[in-house]
Amino acid sequence: DAKTTQPTSMDCAEGRAANLPCNHSTISGNEYVYWYRQIHSQGPQYIIHGLKNNETNEMASLIITEDRKSSTLILPHATLRDTAVYYCIVRVSNSGGSNYKLTFGKGTLLTVNP
Amino acid sequence: NAGVTQTPKFRVLKTGQSMTLLCAQDMNHEYMYWYRQDPGMGLRLIHYSVGEGTTAKGEVPDGYNVSRLKKQNFLLGLESAAPSQTSVYFCASSYLAQETQYFGPGTRLLVL
Repeated sequence: DAKTTQPTSMDCAEGRAANLPCNHSTISGNEYVYWYRQIHSQGPQYIIHGLKNNETNEMASLIITEDRKSSTLILPHATLRDTAVYYCIVRVSNSGGSNYKLTFGKGTLLTVNP
Repeated sequence: NAGVTQTPKFRVLKTGQSMTLLCAQDMNHEYMYWYRQDPGMGLRLIHYSVGEGTTAKGEVPDGYNVSRLKKQNFLLGLESAAPSQTSVYFCASSYLAQETQYFGPGTRLLVL
C-alpha cells in the first residue's frame, strides 16, 4: 500500500469547516483513499473512501485531486465531538486482494475549539 | 444492529494468567481481525480469519491464539499473559477482503 503524509496536528473553530489534507504521491491506479478517525479511547471509525471521484456522505466529503497524489477530507461543520486523530490510508480495494491489514500511520490530531 | 462488540472492556491480569477476549459482529461479515494498539506503534494485526473455521497469522501473532467456531464470533486467547501484552486490543470485521473494516470499541488489558 502507498505511503501517506499528513500534518501532525490542526485546529478548527467549532461550526467552521475542517479541511484535513493528505499526500499520497506514490498511489497506484487501483488504490483507494480511505479515511478513519479515532476519538480518544475509542475504536477507529470509518468515515469515507474514494478512488478518483469526489465522494460525500453524511459525515464528510472527500476531495481527490485529478492526479490522485493528494486528497482532502472536509468536515463541513465541525463540532467539539469531532476532536480526534484522523487517519488517511491508501490501499487496494477489490475482492481478490490478499493484503488484509489496515496500515494506520500517525494521522492528524484535529482539535475543534469552542 | 450493534455492529462490532468486544468483551470485556477492561481487564487486569497477573503474569502467567490466561484469558479470552470475545469479539462479536452482527453484520454477517466473512472476515474478522484482531489488532493491538500501543503508544507510538499504531495498530498491528495479530491474527485474522477469512471465514468460519479458518484463522491465519498477522504481523505479531506470538503469544496469542484465536478461534472462529461461529461466523459471528472471533476469540483471542492469551495462554500465559506477559507484561509486553499490555495493550488496547481492537477487533474489526469486513464483508470481504480489502473491503471497509469496521472496528469494535476495544479492550484495555493490563498485565502486571
